[in-house]
Amino acid sequence: DARVTQTPRHKVTEMGQEVTMRCQPILGHNTVFWYRQTMMQGLELLAYFRNRAPLDDSGMPKDRFSAEMPDATLATLKIQPSEPRDSAVYFCASGIENTEAFFGQGTRLTVV
Amino acid sequence: DQQVKQNSPSLSVQEGRISILNCDYTNSMFDYFLWYKKYPAEGPTFLISISSIKDKNEDGRFTVFLNKSAKHLSLHIVPSQPGDSAVYFCAASESVFKNSGYALNFGKGTSLLVTP
Repeated sequence: DARVTQTPRHKVTEMGQEVTMRCQPILGHNTVFWYRQTMMQGLELLAYFRNRAPLDDSGMPKDRFSAEMPDATLATLKIQPSEPRDSAVYFCASGIENTEAFFGQGTRLTVV
Repeated sequence: DQQVKQNSPSLSVQEGRISILNCDYTNSMFDYFLWYKKYPAEGPTFLISISSIKDKNEDGRFTVFLNKSAKHLSLHIVPSQPGDSAVYFCAASESVFKNSGYALNFGKGTSLLVTP
């Protein structure tokens, strides 16, 4: 049963701390997305990769957020330093071009 | 700048009746459209898609209609069932043949409640 796996599922951290979210895309998928869900903005695209190369990260606050794909089985999203306004659910999704994207279950981040 | 808009935050429909969820987009370069369903505490799951060369795509109880001239698409669920109660997201992307890849642009979602 192929699926996108995200860890951790929940994270509570103090303001100023570093947060790292991880994603294992579905094997064989060449595109990976990071989305953030908030009440106000719905699903916002933060960054996406194709064949591990970053294609667009314009939706990401560059001063504190970074996204990487160290290898084809791992994508990471880091926030340093974290702020209360970063509290949201972060979704990773993977897909193959010209098809739908499959989402993970998300990481619920709370920054206090 | 929201390129995909779902103007109805919520919709309530009786079981057995038709649910119609609407979506508008502003980017005329979008040529691939999708609907996702999302239950609480889960990730969105793909429901149905349509490319711009079609105006209708059907899959069981779910049909998506695309009106390119109006930049409008809709999802019809017939008959609606209580298990269909969820948040539905409309998404769109530009040409999937672009060398730079594609990204799905999502609307803010419509919460559908199907009552028995």
